[in-house]
Amino acid sequence: DGGITQSPKYLFRKEGQNVTLSCEQNLNHDAMYWYRQDPGQGLRLIYYSQIVNDFQKGDIAEGYSVSREKKESFPLTVTSAQKNPTAFYLCASRNGPSSYNEQFFGPGTRLTVL
Amino acid sequence: SQQGEEDPQALSIQEGENATMNCSYKTSINNLQWYRQNSGRGLVHLILIRSNEREKHSGRLRVTLDTSKKSSSLLITASRAADTASYFCATAPNSGYSTLTFGKGTMLLVSP
Repeated sequence: DGGITQSPKYLFRKEGQNVTLSCEQNLNHDAMYWYRQDPGQGLRLIYYSQIVNDFQKGDIAEGYSVSREKKESFPLTVTSAQKNPTAFYLCASRNGPSSYNEQFFGPGTRLTVL
Repeated sequence: SQQGEEDPQALSIQEGENATMNCSYKTSINNLQWYRQNSGRGLVHLILIRSNEREKHSGRLRVTLDTSKKSSSLLITASRAADTASYFCATAPNSGYSTLTFGKGTMLLVSP
């Protein structure tokens, strides 16, 4: 998981509360990504950012928000508008713009909404 | 939308045997990548194959790509218990800057 940290590892929240997941990288990568993983569903892209102060919606952005104020950080906020937020969230980064570059993943945050 | 679909969904073998996983996709790609995920952890990149390549090797891994059939296979030779993990294919549909689209994965169990 080298170079990308996600915190916390486990997160419990009550329904209706917003929650922010942290993602930090020290790889000096320009691009960062947030994915959601549900059992048997693989990874689905929530948001991504190619450079600081810029980000784009992925396939399932509704109910989520992000910011990219620093190159190293790409926090994800799960809002109360997300209907089914319980999932495993993965952050990733990539060095450079080309799709030939591999993505490096953090260890993930498991969010459970009670 | 899910681009890649892995087959089988789950695979159980004994140590020393070979494991083959397949990935099919729907649209033209620039490259295809395979990732590994240990239970409850992040993904780790294994290998990338470009659209103009047919086969690639890395250690005990062998990846093939058939763009006419829109399919790829990952072969792990002489498997070990430590290979137990989920394996995902990911496709990059366009050249230049693009996001990856992941399949649902194959869960591999290697028994000692």
